[in-house]
Amino acid sequence: QVQLQESGPGLVKPSETLSLTCAVSGGSIGPYYWSWIRQPPGRAVEWVGYISNIGRTNYNSSLRSRVTISVDMSRNRVSLTLSSVTAADTAVYYCARQHDLLWFDPWGQGALVTVSS
Amino acid sequence: QSVLTQPASASGTPGQRVTISCSGSTSNIGSNAVAWYQQLPGTAPKPLMFKNNQRPSGVPDRFSGSRSGTSASLAISGLQSEDEADYYCAAWDDSLNAWVFGGGTKLTV
Repeated sequence: QVQLQESGPGLVKPSETLSLTCAVSGGSIGPYYWSWIRQPPGRAVEWVGYISNIGRTNYNSSLRSRVTISVDMSRNRVSLTLSSVTAADTAVYYCARQHDLLWFDPWGQGALVTVSS
Repeated sequence: QSVLTQPASASGTPGQRVTISCSGSTSNIGSNAVAWYQQLPGTAPKPLMFKNNQRPSGVPDRFSGSRSGTSASLAISGLQSEDEADYYCAAWDDSLNAWVFGGGTKLTV
């Protein structure tokens, strides 16, 4: 059974870069798409972007200039970087395996990132 | 403002049937499959429905989904206290070239 675990700094200063890693266990990341989804405190979930099984990326247009998603096949993990963060980027960030353009399953437990000086 | 529109709240008593709606457009629900997620307090969203009406393994058949035109709905029958959660619909949007979610519906039992 595939399991996902997000990790990274819980506190990032404004204007700096947020970096998170999603470790995938119980299966290979190769054949699948992988998405990052975030949820600001008390608010709805928002899709951040995905990386396909051939390395093609697609990002939320509102974040496109600041976001990068990549994969490390050798370590079976997916990474997210978001530059020039502001308080509006404070959220729980989830990684999820994406099944084509159908659904997300499974999801990681999420990592809370707070942007504050 | 979410692209998919859901009621902010819904409620029911144990044993009742409740329905949660999700309204979109021709570029998302009208063209692509809808998925539903359940988020219990303090936890990650959990898949509840995919391809409009398919239940992942382990999801009780009390949960059912449907899609018609540019709208979708999630029905929960035999409501239980553990169903109290937030529910989100999601679909791919061909025009935005992006995943879109509803704003979520808080179900109170």
